Amino acid sequence: SQQGEEDPQALSIQEGENATMNCSYKTSINNLQWYRQNSGRGLVHLILIRSNEREKHSGRLRVTLDTSKKSSSLLITASRAADTASYFCATVAPGGSYIPTFGRGTSLIVHP
Amino acid sequence: NAGVTQTPKFQVLKTGQSMTLQCAQDMNHEYMSWYRQDPGMGLRLIHYSVGAGITDQGEVPNGYNVSRSTTEDFPLRLLSAAPSQTSVYFCASSGTERGIQYFGAGTRLSVL
Repeated sequence: SQQGEEDPQALSIQEGENATMNCSYKTSINNLQWYRQNSGRGLVHLILIRSNEREKHSGRLRVTLDTSKKSSSLLITASRAADTASYFCATVAPGGSYIPTFGRGTSLIVHP
Repeated sequence: NAGVTQTPKFQVLKTGQSMTLQCAQDMNHEYMSWYRQDPGMGLRLIHYSVGAGITDQGEVPNGYNVSRSTTEDFPLRLLSAAPSQTSVYFCASSGTERGIQYFGAGTRLSVL
């Protein structure tokens, strides 16, 4: 069963707007990661946040983590048409094999 | 530096046929894994390996076999293909970066 569940399942915005995707998970984690998948391609790692971190930035990406609520959010600022893709959160359990469990993803469409 | 290479890119099988999906990585990563991606289901872990000679089952292992005789290669075998195995299969590898996965481009498999 999926550990992470993304919300919303689909998001449609205009270029220049911000896009926010949320991820909820069920059990304790070592870290949480976000990946991007363009149509017909493999997943690409975007950002990792450790369980003892609350916020992390990378370019136009901002990730927050609230371990008390078992949730994370990914914010893409000033979205571009090229950001159109599916976004997945993935959780890594503590003390294990470092093999992440993926959610079902959020499909983001950015209209030019 | 090729990263993770999957072959073939596309495959059509008849029910009951067997085949091997190939996966090779050139990053000297210890961890390798196989996922399947179905519409609305995200990625589900089939099998994974934490090093040569060591494999373990994931969430959906039935109908699939794996072996890891070298660090570089992690083939996935379908013993007797079923229509339920129609899916997109992704191989991934990771090193010491706390589970950050590097994905191949995927194999799109149809079982008729």
